[in-house]
Amino acid sequence: EMQLVESGGGLVQPGGSLRLSCAASGLTFSDHYMAWVRQPPGTGPEWVGRIRDKTKSSTTDYAASVKGRFTISRDDSRNSLYLQMSSLKTEDTAVYYCVRELRDNSGFYYFDRWGQGTLVTVSS
Amino acid sequence: DIQMTQSPSSLSASVGDSVTITCRASQGLTNRLAWFQQKPGKAPKSLIYAASSLQSGVPSRFSGSGSGTDFTLTISSLQPEDFATYYCQQYTAYPLNFGGGTKVELK
Repeated sequence: EMQLVESGGGLVQPGGSLRLSCAASGLTFSDHYMAWVRQPPGTGPEWVGRIRDKTKSSTTDYAASVKGRFTISRDDSRNSLYLQMSSLKTEDTAVYYCVRELRDNSGFYYFDRWGQGTLVTVSS
Repeated sequence: DIQMTQSPSSLSASVGDSVTITCRASQGLTNRLAWFQQKPGKAPKSLIYAASSLQSGVPSRFSGSGSGTDFTLTISSLQPEDFATYYCQQYTAYPLNFGGGTKVELK
């Protein structure tokens, strides 16, 4: 059975850094685009960014709100996805989800399976 | 950015009712729209992609339709486990935005 398990969340001060991890199992991790999606308390989900598979050189794209502060990476040998967050702001407080993406018939990628999420709280 | 507007923001229904949720995009998506279900304290669950394609394991009482800018999610016979919040999301252009959500509550 496919599983995505996030870890690394916690309390961090504004301006600080944190690294989230997502351990994948039950899938051929290296074949897939992966994404991070976050959900601030009491609001809807917000896309953070995406990393493509190695056939696309593991290139990344980011939401404007995190570009230059967050970095998505992957280690296919460890079946793991990462989110390095720096210069954290109070508005980055959210549950962060690791998401597998699949390609539809038009060649665009949609969110398929979600992890259980890890809570990041940015507060002094 | 493409703005996604869901309506209603909440609705009350009874078990067995048919309910329809609408999602409108500020620009055309062709059919690149997905629907998700979320229960309190849980991760979103993928229901539908490409506007009308059901994810594996999702009951057939869920259906999606639409193209361009107007889409609907219909639950044909509401079951107790369907009371949740539903989100639409476009995946045709960055940023990959979600709608504001529709909370389906028990009447």
